[in-house]
Amino acid sequence: AQKVTQAQTEISVVEKEDVTLDCVYETRDTTYYLFWYKQPPSGELVFLIRRNSFDEQNEISGRYSWNFQKSTSSFNFTITASQVVDSAVYFCALSEAGGSEKLVFGKGMKLTVNP
Amino acid sequence: KAGVTQTPRYLIKTRGQQVTLSCSPISGHRSVSWYQQTPGQGLQFLFEYFSETQRNKGNFPGRFSGRQFSNSRSEMNVSTLELGDSALYLCASSPSFRQGSYEQYFGPGTRLTVT
Repeated sequence: AQKVTQAQTEISVVEKEDVTLDCVYETRDTTYYLFWYKQPPSGELVFLIRRNSFDEQNEISGRYSWNFQKSTSSFNFTITASQVVDSAVYFCALSEAGGSEKLVFGKGMKLTVNP
Repeated sequence: KAGVTQTPRYLIKTRGQQVTLSCSPISGHRSVSWYQQTPGQGLQFLFEYFSETQRNKGNFPGRFSGRQFSNSRSEMNVSTLELGDSALYLCASSPSFRQGSYEQYFGPGTRLTVT
């Protein structure tokens, strides 16, 4: 069965601090996709990144970076020099290949960035 | 391109009533999924539609149903509402899993309150 675990439920940091959001997943499939979504107070889930199981390259996009390690089944997300606008709930999600786009989400991690 | 739109945005219903929520996907997207978000259970998959066919269904009672129209718009219906159905209902669309795209884009959600 698929499962996504985000052990941290809430983190509070001061602006300009770096913060890492952990995500551990479980799946029996060899082909799968991992995602990170951001949910600001407005409620809409904003797509941040998708990674497939065959691509373990780390990715950097501006202040955001992702570290995918199949050996530890982890897909961690780091925000460098956090800003108040980064305050949101962040979700890690997993989708298996094979004809369905069903996303299995972690419980989410609420990040508060204080000025 | 316009994003995913959901109507209504807010809804208050009484126990025992039924409700219909609507979702219009991004233009050109043919796959629509629905999710329920509650504080206790988090984000849970309801169902997924492609070309007017239900491709996958989550673990929800039969009171939850949905459909997709030929223009890819989708509706979900909940009959005999219970207090526990109070939630944010999110709709997501994607181009097509058959094209190898697993990026789902979410609408702002419908906040349903059952009293």
